[in-house]
Amino acid sequence: EVQLVESGGGLVQPGGSLKLSCAASGFTFSGSAMDWVRQASGKGLEWVGRIRSKANNYATAYGASVKGRFTISRDDSKNTAYLQMNSLKTEDTAVYYCTRREGTFDIWGQGTMVTVSS
Amino acid sequence: LPVLTQPPSASALLGASIKLTCTLSSEHSTYTIEWYQQRPGRSPQYIMKVESDGSHSKGDGIPDRFMGSSSGADRYLTFSNLQSDDEADYHCGESHTINGQVGVVFGGGTKLTVL
Repeated sequence: EVQLVESGGGLVQPGGSLKLSCAASGFTFSGSAMDWVRQASGKGLEWVGRIRSKANNYATAYGASVKGRFTISRDDSKNTAYLQMNSLKTEDTAVYYCTRREGTFDIWGQGTMVTVSS
Repeated sequence: LPVLTQPPSASALLGASIKLTCTLSSEHSTYTIEWYQQRPGRSPQYIMKVESDGSHSKGDGIPDRFMGSSSGADRYLTFSNLQSDDEADYHCGESHTINGQVGVVFGGGTKLTVL
């Protein structure tokens, strides 16, 4: 079964850090670009960033609101992508989805909730 | 950067037809957009990609009564024979590489209510 499963969400104080994981199964993870997209409660989707495959030098790109604070990485041996979030702000509170980019966002995880609050 | 504008809400009767709109910023009027459906409490699901010439390519399992089209900077998602299961949020998105920089932009989403 083709699947993405996020984990690692939770409650963190402003200024803190959190690392999310996205475990993939059922497709060739190593050849896929992986993105993170977030959604604050009652709001639209916001692109967080992307990591490309080894063939594309694991190139990364980030949305303006997270650039310099968030880092996307991957471990192809574990079929897992990661989102390291530092210097978290209250406005980073959202459900975070990982999704495969294969011309479109064709596979999505169920999402993991991140709450930034004191 | 492109800006995508969607009306926040839309509604239509069960069995009717309705057209949702995603409007690109004028200087990006030739861009391709993607439509995603998000049912309440669920993750988004890819519906189709719509090109500037109105051609579209659907995801697996998307029914024939979902159609895509274009006019100028507007990209449309049209439903015929609206079903209760179509009640959801619909997001349009656009992926680009500008000056070597990759980016993705989404519209604010449209909440579709089936009456």
